[in-house]
Amino acid sequence: RKEVEQDPGPFNVPEGATVAFNCTYSNSASQSFFWYRQDCRKEPKLLMSVYSSGNEDGRFTAQLNRASQYISLLIRDSKLSDSATYLCAAPGGGTNFGNEKLTFGTGTRLTIIP
Amino acid sequence: DGGITQSPKYLFRKEGQNVTLSCEQNLNHDAMYWYRQDPGQGLRLIYYSQIVNDFQKGDIAEGYSVSREKKESFPLTVTSAQKNPTAFYLCASRGYRGTFYEQYFGPGTRLTVT
Repeated sequence: RKEVEQDPGPFNVPEGATVAFNCTYSNSASQSFFWYRQDCRKEPKLLMSVYSSGNEDGRFTAQLNRASQYISLLIRDSKLSDSATYLCAAPGGGTNFGNEKLTFGTGTRLTIIP
Repeated sequence: DGGITQSPKYLFRKEGQNVTLSCEQNLNHDAMYWYRQDPGQGLRLIYYSQIVNDFQKGDIAEGYSVSREKKESFPLTVTSAQKNPTAFYLCASRGYRGTFYEQYFGPGTRLTVT
């Protein structure tokens, strides 16, 4: 099993809709998780961090399910500007409680359709 | 204006030449990282450094070398031993924010070797 796995998509969603995608992780000792947004040919930018059950920031909600070992990202009232690739990341490589290393998923591509 | 800078943005080299990519940060972060991104493969860790004068190999260190002589700087050398050097190279640093550490990325260097 890969350390971090994401559905690559693409997700094509009409503007205004709600979209959610998941990311599974294998290291049950992981304490914190991250969602990054990456636009085409740009660097990933940190979108949200998830430390407990979840985190909400405006239209974005990240949730953590420790029992099933996945994190999810929910985008409400999607905008055209939300079109991007979303990467999840989890601590990787042995006992990594300090997040010294992160393992990234391959990303989920989201396109918002007008 | 704090952040991570990488230069140059685009770099072209002939096969067989070594090339050094620059990464500088003024965020006062202790840990710095180098990743490589290829289409469809996500981010892969090349090297990381948690403190000055110390660094560790990541998952794909072969054909690369680094140094960490200053806290602000973490240059990456792509040697002629790297079989497939053409890629998007991303530098990151890690800072403590609130509860846990978070990684932030520079704008990247796109290297093409022909």
